[in-house]
Amino acid sequence: DTEVTQTPKHLVMGMTNKKSLKCEQHMGHRAMYWYKQKAKKPPELMFVYSYEKLSINESVPSRFSPECPNSSLLNLHLHALQPEDSALYLCASSQGGRGRTGANVLTFGAGSRLTVL
Amino acid sequence: SQQGEEDPQALSIQEGENATMNCSYKTSINNLQWYRQNSGRGLVHLILIRSNEREKHSGRLRVTLDTSKKSSSLLITASRAADTASYFCATANQGGKLIFGQGTELSVKP
Repeated sequence: DTEVTQTPKHLVMGMTNKKSLKCEQHMGHRAMYWYKQKAKKPPELMFVYSYEKLSINESVPSRFSPECPNSSLLNLHLHALQPEDSALYLCASSQGGRGRTGANVLTFGAGSRLTVL
Repeated sequence: SQQGEEDPQALSIQEGENATMNCSYKTSINNLQWYRQNSGRGLVHLILIRSNEREKHSGRLRVTLDTSKKSSSLLITASRAADTASYFCATANQGGKLIFGQGTELSVKP
């Protein structure tokens, strides 16, 4: 299995809602990532988990809350979002944590397209 | 700020022609990678070149790296309509971050 699966594919939520994005991989990868991508822009790194511990938080607002329940799963909990948070949210995984040359080739999921009304 | 800057921002060519995209970056790197993204989809890894390598090939792809100029280029030979996509360079540093450039939107017309 060489896939990263993201659910849901599309999500529409109001500013007062609480929702979650889910990501799953069964490649034995030990690093998992959340990226945010706006239209015609590059992906922007949000969070990195290495060996199930949060290793990088790129100063993301607290209305985004990541969770890594185990080495195969990564969630992104959403609460009190703003319309400007509408974007494609991409999950990715890689073999190892930081510091291993070549270990951070990323396998991406297809993304969850989020619309905040 | 984003590590990589790419040019051109958009490139339109005919099928069979070659496409060249360039990427510049600012700080020292462990490796540089190229990814492809079809519209609204996830990114797909194409090729990785390490900081001690100068050129690498994979099928119709050729990547060069010049660490003295902090730049890389991606050449796609004999392009096909199916190559139409956005192409991003990404640089990896010691800290494990992979930071993407602005991307080149390639359109290959049949």
